[in-house]
Amino acid sequence: AQTVTQSQPEMSVQEAETVTLSCTYDTSESNYYLFWYKQPPSRQMILVIRQEAYKQQNATENRFSVNFQKAAKSFSLKISDSQLGDTAMYFCAYQGGKLIFGQGTELSVKP
Amino acid sequence: KAGVTQTPRYLIKTRGQQVTLSCSPISGHRSVSWYQQTPGQGLQFLFEYFSETQRNKGNFPGRFSGRQFSNSRSEMNVSTLELGDSALYLCASSLLGQGNTDTQYFGPGTRLTVL
Repeated sequence: AQTVTQSQPEMSVQEAETVTLSCTYDTSESNYYLFWYKQPPSRQMILVIRQEAYKQQNATENRFSVNFQKAAKSFSLKISDSQLGDTAMYFCAYQGGKLIFGQGTELSVKP
Repeated sequence: KAGVTQTPRYLIKTRGQQVTLSCSPISGHRSVSWYQQTPGQGLQFLFEYFSETQRNKGNFPGRFSGRQFSNSRSEMNVSTLELGDSALYLCASSLLGQGNTDTQYFGPGTRLTVL
């Protein structure tokens, strides 16, 4: 069975600095997708970034980028120039059939 | 396009009652998935509907059921409510569904409290 592990339950970062959230996953599949979702205090789950496993190039979306290491089954999220609005719970998710979530990392951006 | 909508946003019920939650997907999306989110268990997959058929099911008791209508709107029903059913219930829609590794877009959730 596929699993997703986020080993950092909580993290904090100063405004304007860079932070990296870690995620590892386990699968025997070769074709799958990986996602980072953000859940702010409003509880609305928002898609941050998506990575197709068959693509070697790391996905980027403005200040958000990933470091996808397929062989190591690692999928970290880097947030550059952190903003107060980035404060949220971040979930890493794997989709090969069902969408499977990690336990989440609570990120606090401090002024 | 309008996003995924869920109604009601908040609900308070007592043990033993039943509840129905509703989800309207993004226009054109045919797949609707339901998730339960609790502090202890995190996000857990309940079931997925595609073209009015349940295509996938998570590991939940039969008290949890759902259906999808011809307009892709979906409802989830929980019968004989237990205290442990208190949770945020999230609905997500996608074009073709999870088996096609489609991106899922989430609604704002329904917060259910069972007293």
